[in-house]
Amino acid sequence: QVQLVQSGSELKKPGASVKISCMASGYAFTGYGMNWVRQAPGQGLEWMGWINPKTGSPTYAQGFTRRFVFSLDTSVSTTYLQISSLKAEDTAMYYCARDGLGNAFDIWGQGTMVTVSS
Amino acid sequence: QSALTQPASVSGSPGQSIAISCTGTSSDVGGYDYVSWYQQHPGKAPKLMIHAVSNRPSGVSDRFSGSKSGNTASLTISGLQVEDEADYYCSSKRSSTSLVFGGGTKLTVL
Repeated sequence: QVQLVQSGSELKKPGASVKISCMASGYAFTGYGMNWVRQAPGQGLEWMGWINPKTGSPTYAQGFTRRFVFSLDTSVSTTYLQISSLKAEDTAMYYCARDGLGNAFDIWGQGTMVTVSS
Repeated sequence: QSALTQPASVSGSPGQSIAISCTGTSSDVGGYDYVSWYQQHPGKAPKLMIHAVSNRPSGVSDRFSGSKSGNTASLTISGLQVEDEADYYCSSKRSSTSLVFGGGTKLTVL
C-alpha cells in the first residue's frame, strides 16, 4: 500500500546535527512532491517546505532557510531532512507528507520526534 | 510567515452540525482554490479531509464538507460523532511556491 515510513526518534545535544529519513513505497516516488511539516509540542502544524523528487530542487519556507536541508535518494525512494546547529526550540515532531492532490497532503509519515536537550 | 486564523476551539453535541472558519487574505485563501483541511487525533499524524476547497478524498465521510467565501474558508461537520473529536487544521497555497497552515481548532464533542 501507499505509505511513508520515517526513521525513529532522536535525542540530540544543542549544536549537534540530525538527519531524518522518509521512505516511500507503493507509488512512483518521482511523481509527487514531498513536503516537510514541523509540529512543536502542543503546537500547530508549520510548513517547512518541499522537495521536487524529479529534479531534487528544494523550496524552503521562511524561517527554514539556514539550518535546514532537504535531500533525496531516488534509488531507495527516500527523502531526507537534515537540521544543523540544533537548538532547544527545534524540539518537535517532524512529518514528511506527499503532495498528491495539488497543495494537499494525502499521505503522511508517522512522524519523527526530535528532542534537543543538554 | 503568519498563520491563517482559526478559532481556538469549537464544541457540539452528537448529531449536531458545526463549522470551523479559516480566515486569510487575498494572497492565500482568497487568491487560490487550494484550501485543504486536516484532522489530527492526539498522538497521530494528520489526515486529509478536504482538498481544493470542497473536495473529499476517497474514504472520507460525506459528513465533512468545505466551502469558501472571499478570504474565509469553512469546514462543516454534520451529524457530529464522538470520533470527530480532534484538532482540525486548514491550509492554503500562498504564492506560487509557498503554503501556510492555520493555527488549528480543537473540536470537542460534548
